Amino acid sequence: AQSVTQPDIHITVSEGASLELRCNYSYGATPYLFWYVQSPGQGLQLLLKYFSGDTLVQGIKGFEAEFKRSQSSFNLRKPSVHWSDAAEYFCAVGAPNFGNEKLTFGTGTRLTIIP
Amino acid sequence: NAGVTQTPKFQVLKTGQSMTLQCAQDMNHNSMYWYRQDPGMGLRLIYYSASEGTTDKGEVPNGYNVSRLNKREFSLRLESAAPSQTSVYFCASTGDQYRGGNTIYFGEGSWLTVV
Repeated sequence: AQSVTQPDIHITVSEGASLELRCNYSYGATPYLFWYVQSPGQGLQLLLKYFSGDTLVQGIKGFEAEFKRSQSSFNLRKPSVHWSDAAEYFCAVGAPNFGNEKLTFGTGTRLTIIP
Repeated sequence: NAGVTQTPKFQVLKTGQSMTLQCAQDMNHNSMYWYRQDPGMGLRLIYYSASEGTTDKGEVPNGYNVSRLNKREFSLRLESAAPSQTSVYFCASTGDQYRGGNTIYFGEGSWLTVV
C-alpha cells in the first residue's frame, strides 16, 4: 500500500518570500500525486496533479511542484507568497490502476504568512 | 455555482444520539465520498459510492452508514454517536471513481462534536 509523509507540520514565511513544502511518498511504481489546499473553514481545493511526463507541474495560484523519482518526493513551491496563501496544504498519492478509494492523504502542513 | 453542498455545518450531539449528514452535488458526478479529518491524521475515507446504487467501505467505516439516495445525494448516518466520532466531515465527488487521476471536489465540511 502507498503512503505519504509531510515532514513539516507548520511553516512560517514572510510575505514575498519563496516557499517550498515537502512531500515524500512510498509506492512501488510511479504514483499519481496531488497537492490540495484548504483555506480556513473551507473544503480542499486541488492545486495541481502529476500523472506522468514532464516532472515539473504547474498549478493554480502560481504554485508548481516537481516530481523526483530518485528522492520519492513531490515538493510544492511558490516563488513569492502572498498573505492569501495562508492555509493548510495536503499532499496525496494515488495508485494507478486503482480508483480514488486508494487515494492517501498526508497529514498536512500549515502555512502561516507574516507581514 | 454550488458544487458540493453539505449540511449541517456545525452540530453538537450527545453520546448515543443519532444524526445524518446530508450531501448534494450539482456537477452530475457519478462518484461520491465521505471523509473525516482529524488533527495530525489527514483525511481518511469512511465510505464511498462509485455510482448511483452502490456503496463501499473505506478505511474507517465502523460506526457509520451511508445512503446514495440518487445521483446527486449521498448521506452519512451516525446511528449511535460516540466521542471518538468528533471530527470534521467532508463530502466529496468526482466524475469517475475508477479514473484515479480525476479531480475530487470537496464540500466545505461539517464540524461534529460528540459530548
